[in-house]
Amino acid sequence: GESVGLHLPTLSVQEGDNSIINCAYSNSASDYFIWYKQESGKGPQFIIDIRSNMDKRQGQRVTVLLNKTVKHLSLQIAATQPGDSAVYFCAEIFSGGYNKLIFGAGTRLAVHP
Amino acid sequence: DAEITQSPRHKITETGRQVTLACHQTWNHNNMFWYRQDLGHGLRLIHYSYGVQDTNKGEVSDGYSVSRSNTEDLPLTLESAASSQTSVYFCASSDQGLANTGELFFGEGSRLTVL
Repeated sequence: GESVGLHLPTLSVQEGDNSIINCAYSNSASDYFIWYKQESGKGPQFIIDIRSNMDKRQGQRVTVLLNKTVKHLSLQIAATQPGDSAVYFCAEIFSGGYNKLIFGAGTRLAVHP
Repeated sequence: DAEITQSPRHKITETGRQVTLACHQTWNHNNMFWYRQDLGHGLRLIHYSYGVQDTNKGEVSDGYSVSRSNTEDLPLTLESAASSQTSVYFCASSDQGLANTGELFFGEGSRLTVL
């Protein structure tokens, strides 16, 4: 399969613990943020999104927090499972001009039994 | 089930050769995108299309071209392959513009090696 990200920052957690993956974005004009999950050998898969008029959004076992003051985004995964092991990307969309989805470099989450 | 497929999944070519990577989606999505993924760079946008006959350059478009003759397909062509184009290429599609949704549906990727 297609595998990338062998030298990415890695977060190691125990199965059942909560995980927090952090992301700093660069453009204060970005107003829409998305988290993607990429399993080994597969394409990225949408997890959750949040717009800049919100500071928190919850999904199933996942929560995204947005702090616009410090341009920081985080993804919290509750009760982490082995199936959560993957590379996680945050992405931002610049408003104005032509909308373009910009991905961060990614963080690898390793879940240990 | 509707899907997005890329071919070939793996290709090795030589410097200077023309290469075309195929992308086919059956969702009838208007929007299609090509990204490349390299260590340390995340995914970078090469070209995108918002409909038939519409194509636009992304942030790393030099050396690449696309054409959109129908809704289902967006082939990516490397006119003269270079070693710097060794990468994993992902095609994606969406049914709405990025202003409305950042949910893209990605293919499984095509690994290209240029020797």
